[in-house]
Amino acid sequence: DAKTTQPNSMESNEEEPVHLPCNHSTISGTDYIHWYRQLPSQGPEYVIHGLTSNVNNRMASLAIAEDRKSSTLILHRATLRDAAVYYCILRDVGGGSYIPTFGRGTSLIVHP
Amino acid sequence: DVKVTQSSRYLVKRTGEKVFLECVQDMDHENMFWYRQDPGLGLRLIYFSYDVKMKEKGDIPEGYSVSREKKERFSLILESASTNQTSMYLCASSLAGYSNQPQHFGDGTRLSIL
Repeated sequence: DAKTTQPNSMESNEEEPVHLPCNHSTISGTDYIHWYRQLPSQGPEYVIHGLTSNVNNRMASLAIAEDRKSSTLILHRATLRDAAVYYCILRDVGGGSYIPTFGRGTSLIVHP
Repeated sequence: DVKVTQSSRYLVKRTGEKVFLECVQDMDHENMFWYRQDPGLGLRLIYFSYDVKMKEKGDIPEGYSVSREKKERFSLILESASTNQTSMYLCASSLAGYSNQPQHFGDGTRLSIL
């Protein structure tokens, strides 16, 4: 799987939108972009994934750049419960690799 | 909802002991995974399995083995526990079709080796 780069930490205020960036400049055409988050004392939780088009679900939105070299996870209104580590990973459909690589992620701090 | 259950949240063992960590999933997933998570290192894959009795090494398999006798159960075995295996261990499962199938994680086992 190709590598991703994320900021170590970000801060937000409650009820404000949060944009979490991820760079993946070596992404291949068959890589899916997945986002997970890990709340304190829990295992990671799937958030959203996409290939080329922007995606929305009940948890978040995923905006994918036209050249696919970067993506942004959007939390529309941050709550205190969104404080977590957010991981951006790539999964290759063509390479036969089962192995997703989790980096260090972005630690999101939400202020009341 | 998918449920991945790890047998213990906290476990304390002694150096040299054989340690078993158990994981059960209830959604008939083909793929199962074992990771360890250490501060500053993120999640690192130890082993994964894509079918009963099938296993593949991940990034850090040394000192570990696995067993998958039934589809719903994936066990991680520390053959002779050492202090550098003190860590948080996470189990995950997913459907086949690996690229766009999300992984579902358990809440982890925090293992201390004394």
